[in-house]
Amino acid sequence: SAVISQKPSRDICQRGTSLTIQCQVDSQVTMMFWYRQQPGQSLTLIATANQGSEATYESGFVIDKFPISRPNLTFSTLTVSNMSPEDSSIYLCSVVVDIGYNEQFFGPGTRLTVL
Amino acid sequence: QKEVEQNSGPLSVPEGAIASLNCTYSDRVSQSFFWYRQYSGKSPELIMSIYSNGDKEDGRFTAQLNKASQYVSLLIRDSQPSDSATYLCAVPYNFNKFYFGSGTKLNVKP
Repeated sequence: SAVISQKPSRDICQRGTSLTIQCQVDSQVTMMFWYRQQPGQSLTLIATANQGSEATYESGFVIDKFPISRPNLTFSTLTVSNMSPEDSSIYLCSVVVDIGYNEQFFGPGTRLTVL
Repeated sequence: QKEVEQNSGPLSVPEGAIASLNCTYSDRVSQSFFWYRQYSGKSPELIMSIYSNGDKEDGRFTAQLNKASQYVSLLIRDSQPSDSATYLCAVPYNFNKFYFGSGTKLNVKP
């Protein structure tokens, strides 16, 4: 597995502002992902964070709303832009350490509330 | 049809009983399957992975896979109140992206 940290752990933001969430891993990993978990719901994949290139977004998610960076193999950021109350969710990063086993491990999450 | 389906529960079992959690999936080419446990307010924790048909045991947990029926289950023996959580079934698509089921909430009553 890997030790994954996220910052901030929670935040309360105003409508129309942006928040950048950081994900740091204690070792180099092949794959990093960003998920959203809305209240009472399961996890939905937002995008795959690609090292050194643009992220790959899932249907329903766009770069202008959720810009992602991954400058190296241990770090990624997700920005939630021009926020609305509908963006209130838990945002989670996950990593695949050994691509042969395809096991994903999750960070502790960032709980975002938009007023 | 959802890619991964789970009974949302809640599933209530008495302490010491066997809890049986079920998951069906639609992608016939899936080769690996995962169970996550998520306590309220926490992130998902990987507890079992299974890659071939049959049973895989790890302590009190047993994962069962039947690819022909597109069915994977998780048995928890000697259930404890600390097992009370939501259990998520995850099935990869496009190799490393996961579909997650909606989760089954388990309550173990002392």
